[in-house]
Amino acid sequence: AQTVTQSQPEMSVQEAETVTLSCTYDTSESDYYLFWYKQPPSRQMILVIRQEAYKQQNATENRFSVNFQKAAKSFSLKISDSQLGDAAMYFCAYYTNAGKSTFGDGTTLTVKP
Amino acid sequence: GAGVSQSPRYKVTKRGQDVTLRCDPISSHATLYWYQQALGQGPEFLTYFNYEAQPDKSGLPSDRFSAERPEGSISTLTIQRTEQRDSAMYRCASSLALGADGNTGELFFGEGSRLTVL
Repeated sequence: AQTVTQSQPEMSVQEAETVTLSCTYDTSESDYYLFWYKQPPSRQMILVIRQEAYKQQNATENRFSVNFQKAAKSFSLKISDSQLGDAAMYFCAYYTNAGKSTFGDGTTLTVKP
Repeated sequence: GAGVSQSPRYKVTKRGQDVTLRCDPISSHATLYWYQQALGQGPEFLTYFNYEAQPDKSGLPSDRFSAERPEGSISTLTIQRTEQRDSAMYRCASSLALGADGNTGELFFGEGSRLTVL
């Protein structure tokens, strides 16, 4: 069974600084996708960034980038130039074409002004 | 529809009652998921549908939980004889068909149905 582990229940960052959220996963599959979703206080789930496992290049979306280490089964999220609106719970998720997505327990990010 | 719609947004019920939650996915999406999310935790997989087929219901916690999607569009999640431990946010998500061109595995979530069992 696939598992996703987020070892940091809470993180804090100063506005305009950079923060990295950690995620590790366990799988025997070779073809899969990894995601970071954001859940603000409104409790909506919003896609932040996606990485295909077959791609070696790390995904980037504006201020958000990932460090994907396939051999180590690690998928961290870096947020640069943090903004107050980045405050949320962040979930790492794993998906295969078998159809099931597995989520980690989340990291609550606080952004200090 | 344009987005995933869930109803009711909030449901308070007494222990022992049955509840039914509804999900209307994005109209072009063949795949529909149900997740249970406790406060402060990540979504836990319950079941999913590919059109009207239900290939995986391994996450349903007990036989009190069931889901249907009879026409491959709207889905319902029913909890019979509710218990206090069933209190949670129930999230529905949809995506393009498994293996379809353009399916990147991204899930599009509804706003959830918050269930409180007294």
